[in-house]
Amino acid sequence: GAVVSQHPSRVICKSGTSVKIECRSLDFQATTMFWYRQFPKQSLMLMATSNEGSKATYEQGVEKDKFLINHASLTLSTLTVTSAHPEDSSFYICSSPRTGLGYGYTFGSGTRLTVV
Amino acid sequence: QQQVKQSPQSLIVQKGGISIINCAYENTAFDYFPWYQQFPGKGPALLIAIRPDVSEKKEGRFTISFNKSAKQFSLHIMDSQPGDSATYFCAASRTGFQKLVFGTGTRLLVSP
Repeated sequence: GAVVSQHPSRVICKSGTSVKIECRSLDFQATTMFWYRQFPKQSLMLMATSNEGSKATYEQGVEKDKFLINHASLTLSTLTVTSAHPEDSSFYICSSPRTGLGYGYTFGSGTRLTVV
Repeated sequence: QQQVKQSPQSLIVQKGGISIINCAYENTAFDYFPWYQQFPGKGPALLIAIRPDVSEKKEGRFTISFNKSAKQFSLHIMDSQPGDSATYFCAASRTGFQKLVFGTGTRLLVSP
């Protein structure tokens, strides 16, 4: 139980294009979704926090116009990387607090974005 | 105040040995301390977590030791196996499903 399905697992896009990453909660209602970025051999860095039906809260230094987050329903949150550039290449991971099965956080399997 | 410091950065352990990873935090409002295991190209997976009201928690070969006064907690992996070779992250958060603050990670290699 408490599964977050993240798609796509890998995506390669051309510089200047936009890419959408989806995270779906399969068996619970994800009121909150955390979006992380992870560079090779580094830790997870929180980019933003989204709550269903409201605007996302971005961490300092994260461009909200570049990383668009939509959390329109209790089962779907999306991250769109707009006008992607090679420096946006990274591993993106979503996570939602897990309810009903004890306290904790459920993570998606991650999306490897490569911008060429 | 929001940092979680993790050491060592990398660790090599012989098969069957004990792997020990340490973390320290500053924010006394943190009350949830999980450890995650991550394999390359995968999302983090919860190993074990502890709350500050206990000093130790054991699940199988994994044990968390928690020292509230020192603001430190550690992960012990007993009888380490090659399949345990991965990156381990400690983390901390405050009550109410607030954001997790991650340590810098430890790359564990268990040699056969």
